[in-house]
Amino acid sequence: AQKITQTQPGMFVQEKEAVTLDCTYDTSDQSYGLFWYKQPSSGEMIFLIYQGSYDEQNATEGRYSLNFQKARKSANLVISASQLGDSAMYFCAMPEYSGAGSYQLTFGKGTKLSVIP
Amino acid sequence: DTGVSQDPRHKITKRGQNVTFRCDPISEHNRLYWYRQTLGQGPEFLTYFQNEAQLEKSRLLSDRFSAERPKGSFSTLEIQRTEQGDSAMYLCASSPASGTDTQYFGPGTRLTVL
Repeated sequence: AQKITQTQPGMFVQEKEAVTLDCTYDTSDQSYGLFWYKQPSSGEMIFLIYQGSYDEQNATEGRYSLNFQKARKSANLVISASQLGDSAMYFCAMPEYSGAGSYQLTFGKGTKLSVIP
Repeated sequence: DTGVSQDPRHKITKRGQNVTFRCDPISEHNRLYWYRQTLGQGPEFLTYFQNEAQLEKSRLLSDRFSAERPKGSFSTLEIQRTEQGDSAMYLCASSPASGTDTQYFGPGTRLTVL
C-alpha cells in the first residue's frame, strides 16, 4: 500500500515570496506518480500538478512546480510568487492502482498554507 | 466547461435517518469515484465506477453505505441509519480514463449527523 507523509501541518509565507511544501512517499511500485491538490475553505479539491516517476524533468504548471527526488522519495511542491488566493490546504496524493484498471488516490494529511500580505 | 457537481452541498440529519447524495461527473468522463474526508484528514477512498459498473467497493465503510451509477452518468451515495461518526465531507471525483487519468473533484457534500 502507498503511504504519503506531509510533515508540515501549517506554513506561512509572505505575499510574492516562494514557498516549498514537503511530501514524502513510500511505495513498492516501480512506476508511480504524484499529484498535488489545493483545497480552499470552500471544500473543493483543485488539481494542481502531476508527475510520473519516469518523467525526466520536473513538472511545472504556471507558478507551481514539483521538486521530485526519487532517491529521497520526496515530491515537494514549490509555489512561486505567492498570492493571497493561495491560502488553502494542500494535499499530496499517490495513485494506488487496482486490478479493475483504475486507481484510487491515497492522500497525505495536508499542509495549511497561509499567505501574509 | 462544467466541472463535477454535487448536491446537496450541505446536509444536516438526525441519527438513524437515511441520506442520499448525488454526483454529476464531467460529461465525457466515464470513471467516477467517491471519497470521504473527516476533519483534519485527507480524503479516503470509498468506491469507484467505470461507466455503470461498480468495480471497487471493498472500501465502503460498512454495509450501511451503498452507491449506484445506474446509467453510467450521475451517481448516488446512500448512507442508511446514519451515525454521528458519519459526519464528514463526501467528495466525488471523475476522470477520463485516458492520459494521466487525472481525477477532478466536485465541491463536496458536508454531512452533519445530530
